Amino acid sequence: AQSVTQPDARVTVSEGASLQLRCKYSYFGTPYLFWYVQYPRQGLQLLLKYYPGDPVVQGVNGFEAEFSKSNSSFHLRKASVHWSDWAVYFCAVRSGSFNKLTFGAGTRLAVCP
Amino acid sequence: EAAVTQSPRNKVAVTGGKVTLSCNQTNNHNNMYWYRQDTGHGLRLIHYSYGAGSTEKGDIPDGYKASRPSQENFSLILELATPSQTSVYFCASGDDWGYSYEQYFGPGTRLTVL
Repeated sequence: AQSVTQPDARVTVSEGASLQLRCKYSYFGTPYLFWYVQYPRQGLQLLLKYYPGDPVVQGVNGFEAEFSKSNSSFHLRKASVHWSDWAVYFCAVRSGSFNKLTFGAGTRLAVCP
Repeated sequence: EAAVTQSPRNKVAVTGGKVTLSCNQTNNHNNMYWYRQDTGHGLRLIHYSYGAGSTEKGDIPDGYKASRPSQENFSLILELATPSQTSVYFCASGDDWGYSYEQYFGPGTRLTVL
């Protein structure tokens, strides 16, 4: 069965520093992968999505992610973090019919001044 | 822009009571989903629907029912609420044609069962 693992429950970075949030997936076949962001007291918003093709995908607000089939990974990156990036980030994989999604447990990002 | 709304936004219920959470989407999406969010678990799928009149069990359906009376509306029903159902519930919608596999989420409903 498909699954998503986000090994870091919490990550703290300084404003202006670079960021990588890790995501490992398990999926038989070609995965469709997503990163969503949840700002405090809000629903989830799509950051970026991977459909088979270029392994590096660009998202909103300077985020990008790199797909690796050999490592079963889809890590999220940002070159310079802003305080407004303080949020919870979820990695997800399309899982089966009707475009269901399987989510990881999420990574809570804190940004220090 | 996808528009998914949920009501109520906050709900306090008593153990054994009936709770209905409502979701409305204005994008004419065929698919709708109900998730619950708990710390350490991310979002877990409770029920989903692929069109008016259909409901299907997700990964954790026990204790929940769903209803899809129209394309726009999808409800989650807790017939006998229990404290373990205290959580934040999210509704989402999505299309099923072409290569648009993403889901659009509502703002969530915070449910507390006392």
